[in-house]
Amino acid sequence: KAGVTQTPRYLIKTRGQQVTLSCSPISGHRSVSWYQQTPGQGLQFLFEYFSETQRNKGNFPGRFSGRQFSNSRSEMNVSTLELGDSALYLCASGSTGGSYEQYFGPGTRLTVT
Amino acid sequence: GENVEQHPSTLSVQEGDSAVIKCTYSDSASNYFPWYKQELGKRPQLIIDIRSNVGEKKDQRIAVTLNKTAKHFSLHITETQPEDSAVYFCAADTGANSKLTFGKGITLSVRP
Repeated sequence: KAGVTQTPRYLIKTRGQQVTLSCSPISGHRSVSWYQQTPGQGLQFLFEYFSETQRNKGNFPGRFSGRQFSNSRSEMNVSTLELGDSALYLCASGSTGGSYEQYFGPGTRLTVT
Repeated sequence: GENVEQHPSTLSVQEGDSAVIKCTYSDSASNYFPWYKQELGKRPQLIIDIRSNVGEKKDQRIAVTLNKTAKHFSLHITETQPEDSAVYFCAADTGANSKLTFGKGITLSVRP
């Protein structure tokens, strides 16, 4: 099976802009979680989608949003970008709603200038 | 919410020696504890995990132990090799909604 894919791999944006990141999970997996990774804060949970429904959300402002499509692909959107949003954004794929194992994609490196 | 602490933050061992990385968690509802290895510039890779109904799990040179009473779990790597050098993250999850809470990570260096 193909692994988790994320596009784009790299992005450079300026403050105030918005950005959309995409994640395609492992075939057959229905759960997609998003994480932000920074040197200072480590890996922090953003939100999780299962069958097109957001089931859990982390402690991030409303500028961070996401959605999931019927084919399980997921997107996350960040509006009104701030310098502090510069990070590696990782998505993780899980096989079922009650499954435990999560497999990460390669991430999207977002730089906000 | 859950809080996962990982210590030490760095660990250096001689090739062939064993390495032990410890994590503590706060939420007694957590029942799933994975370990991820992240090499520089790469994605976190799931290397081993354990569920709360098991006390120990082994996979070749790596093992994980869980003490539910004390709320801590540990990663054991035996016969370390230079390719084991990476950042290791522990995490905890209640298993309900795939929300992993990660520790800050430990940088393991294996000296040849």
